[in-house]
Amino acid sequence: EAGVAQSPRYKIIEKRQSVAFWCNPISGHATLYWYQQILGQGPKLLIQFQNNGVVDDSQLPKDRFSAERLKGVDSTLKIQPAKLEDSAVYLCASSLDSSGEETQYFGPGTRLLVL
Amino acid sequence: AQSVSQHNHHVILSEAASLELGCNYSYGGTVNLFWYVQYPGQHLQLLLKYFSGDPLVKGIKGFEAEFIKSKFSFNLRKPSVQWSDTAEYFCAVKGYSTLTFGKGTMLLVSP
Repeated sequence: EAGVAQSPRYKIIEKRQSVAFWCNPISGHATLYWYQQILGQGPKLLIQFQNNGVVDDSQLPKDRFSAERLKGVDSTLKIQPAKLEDSAVYLCASSLDSSGEETQYFGPGTRLLVL
Repeated sequence: AQSVSQHNHHVILSEAASLELGCNYSYGGTVNLFWYVQYPGQHLQLLLKYFSGDPLVKGIKGFEAEFIKSKFSFNLRKPSVQWSDTAEYFCAVKGYSTLTFGKGTMLLVSP
């Protein structure tokens, strides 16, 4: 079974530039998550999709971050404009559904450095 | 709001030593508890999970964790660590909604 795919793996940009990350979840997984992991901390949920609808985006900085999952499969996360403090690893995860007992499977992440 | 606290940020052990990583959470209701592991250069993967039933949960690679409800704890244990256990370990809790992670514990096992 193929895992969660993410691209790019690494990205370096200057502050105020924009950047986009892509995620393809495990086939058949209805729920997709984007996390931000800053160095020395655990992953923090940014947004959760159930199919193509947003379930939770309470921790997404909506003035600069946006995400979509138009066809209920793959998803993109965008930052515009980027700030220095956005330097982090952006993790995508998926699960069969959003119930508490469903295991989340994580992708390799995209490591973003904002200069 | 739910939160997770991991007691140690770094742990260094020799091979064959016993391991216990502390994890405490705060949440007033029913919780699901997880330990995830991230080996060097690899992505996060599930080590074990607790949903209900027997509070002693066994996971992969000889790891186990015990849920003690009265102490809001879910400590991870392994009787004898190996060099290949070198990794970062994250405790996570899921209450009403989202999965909340602790800050992680970096385990270094010296051969």
